[in-house]
Amino acid sequence: ETGVTQTPRHLVMGMTNKKSLKCEQHLGHNAMYWYKQSAKKPLELMFVYNFKEQTENNSVPSRFSPECPNSSLLNLHLHALQPEDSALYLCASSQEQGFEQFFGPGTRLTVL
Amino acid sequence: AQTVTQSQPEMSVQEAETVTLSCTYDTSESDYYLFWYKQPPSRQMILVIRQEAYKQQNATENRFSVNFQKAAKSFSLKISDSQLGDAAMYFCALGVETSGSRLTFGEGTQLTVNP
Repeated sequence: ETGVTQTPRHLVMGMTNKKSLKCEQHLGHNAMYWYKQSAKKPLELMFVYNFKEQTENNSVPSRFSPECPNSSLLNLHLHALQPEDSALYLCASSQEQGFEQFFGPGTRLTVL
Repeated sequence: AQTVTQSQPEMSVQEAETVTLSCTYDTSESDYYLFWYKQPPSRQMILVIRQEAYKQQNATENRFSVNFQKAAKSFSLKISDSQLGDAAMYFCALGVETSGSRLTFGEGTQLTVNP
């Protein structure tokens, strides 16, 4: 595997389900990010992790719970989501201060 | 706070022609970086080009070049000899030193390439 990978690529879940999105970067980077991309809206930064520590949480509802087991892996645990949470969820990584972010292919999430 | 504005929601160009996508930004910082990302229908975000604010020379990457006007806070992307594969959503992004590795993205410009 190279670059940034995300699984699953598509996910349909009900409002009472618990699911997880997974992201893995194979670039040796130290920073990882979760973004939400909804139709006709700019990318919304959700969480930032630097060296496995969360450094930013942009007022994301607690039904989204990130987890960073190591500097290469970033999970997003989902519970009790709402239909308005349906979107493309993008993971990215970068060197700590490198700024260039490399993105995964995204997970298309649909909440019924 | 940083802002990035892309005033053209949609643009179109004929194959082999040249097109310019506009981006303006605002920051009070002196050290920053600017990027153009491309998101084709596959939804994979791909870095197209990068510009450091301290560099006066405009960045180029094959058929892609930028016009960086620091005083005007303008960062446009020029695509020469447009190809069908250039059709995508293009995002302008700004990163500043004091925000760590955080990027601020514009709303995007949807580029259509007509054969």
